[in-house]
Amino acid sequence: QSALTQPPSASGSPGQSVTISCTGTSSDVGGYNYVSWYHQHPGKAPKLMIYEVSKRPSGVPDRFSGSKSGNTASLTVSGLQAEDEADYYCSSYAGSDNPWVFGGGTKLTVL
Amino acid sequence: EVQLVQSGAEVKKPGESLKISCKGSGYSFTTYWIGWVRQMPGKGLEWMGIIYPGDSDTRYSPSFQGQVTISADKSISTAYLQWSSLKASDTAMYYCARFEDGNYYFDYWGQGTLVTVSS
Repeated sequence: QSALTQPPSASGSPGQSVTISCTGTSSDVGGYNYVSWYHQHPGKAPKLMIYEVSKRPSGVPDRFSGSKSGNTASLTVSGLQAEDEADYYCSSYAGSDNPWVFGGGTKLTVL
Repeated sequence: EVQLVQSGAEVKKPGESLKISCKGSGYSFTTYWIGWVRQMPGKGLEWMGIIYPGDSDTRYSPSFQGQVTISADKSISTAYLQWSSLKASDTAMYYCARFEDGNYYFDYWGQGTLVTVSS
């Protein structure tokens, strides 16, 4: 069982928006602004999409945005494109003894 | 260009030892942490441990403490993950990834090393 809870699947049609949630506790998501999101295409390494809740690394399209409310973080993908179909994982800092916790992943399908 | 290049896939028998590697290039290897992340077949990501190659400061996830050993050779910009006695349950993809001190996200990842343990 993963420390952070994500829905196993999400879907949307091209051009639509989809939001993926990531629920933790006050000891991780709710306690720090260190939520990050990764996407992973089949057979590939994860790629950083969002860090520190809402910041985008260079090269990541602004269609990807992140937010947080309480113990739940969210990733929104706007203007869905076929290449957005992938597994998405959230992660949060959880304190010095066990710095990272990951979500179980959400499979995003572009219909 | 920042790159983390991992060693190739391995097939081992239970009880055997193994050491896989992760070579960094395109950045100052000694000033970024390297983490190891496990992904079991069809499953999610789990962090295993981290090392700071500059001084070999190493931390382990409670779930992996005592199960693996993480090390680094800064002279060749390479980090390692090793097992002394593999189990079938160690079958997984293993990724190395780097992060900067004070940041809690992995910005660059290796391509992964598939470890298969089977009798």
